[in-house]
Amino acid sequence: DAGVIQSPRHEVTEMGQEVTLRCKPISGHNSLFWYRQTMMRGLELLIYFNNNVPIDDSGMPEDRFSAKMPNASFSTLKIQPSEPRDSAVYFCASSLIGRLPMNTEAFFGQGTRLTVV
Amino acid sequence: TQLLEQSPQFLSIQEGENLTVYCNSSSVFSSLQWYRQEPGEGPVLLVTVVTGGEVKKLKRLTFQFGDARKDSSLHITAAQPGDTGLYLCAGLTYNQGGKLIFGQGTELSVKP
Repeated sequence: DAGVIQSPRHEVTEMGQEVTLRCKPISGHNSLFWYRQTMMRGLELLIYFNNNVPIDDSGMPEDRFSAKMPNASFSTLKIQPSEPRDSAVYFCASSLIGRLPMNTEAFFGQGTRLTVV
Repeated sequence: TQLLEQSPQFLSIQEGENLTVYCNSSSVFSSLQWYRQEPGEGPVLLVTVVTGGEVKKLKRLTFQFGDARKDSSLHITAAQPGDTGLYLCAGLTYNQGGKLIFGQGTELSVKP
């Protein structure tokens, strides 16, 4: 398996533009997480899905952020409109949540570095 | 709101020294994980501890889960420059559908 695949790796956009980040999780995994990483706030959980259903989106900062998982092999995180304070590295991770918590390693993509100018 | 507090945030030491990183919370977790992150990459799992009081060793790294499953520590013996990186603890809440939250991380620099 190629691991978790995120695209694009880098995105530079102007304030006010729509940004869409994409993630392909590892085949067979049933959980998908979106995180945002900054120096100030560390690795923040934005939203996570279990079996394609959003379970907890309390970490989504504002209504400008939305996430979808239309099927088990694809998820998007959209920011509309984008603002300079959204600049960060966004990570997608997937995991297989089984009956036992020891089987819950999260595999991360390489991240998307977003810069909003 | 669940929070994981890691300390210290930054640590700069000489090769051969020992160090301990702490991860504390007021919440109980199903398991506690430690990840390491290299620049430009996503975090990679080092270890998972599940049982209160559990101790796991990975070469020179020793991980401990608190008895109450609210805190954990990472101890590195005789640190080497190759240990340099960002160390993150993460708490899993199994009964919330597998919610995984991270501490802010400890940036470790080991100088030769």
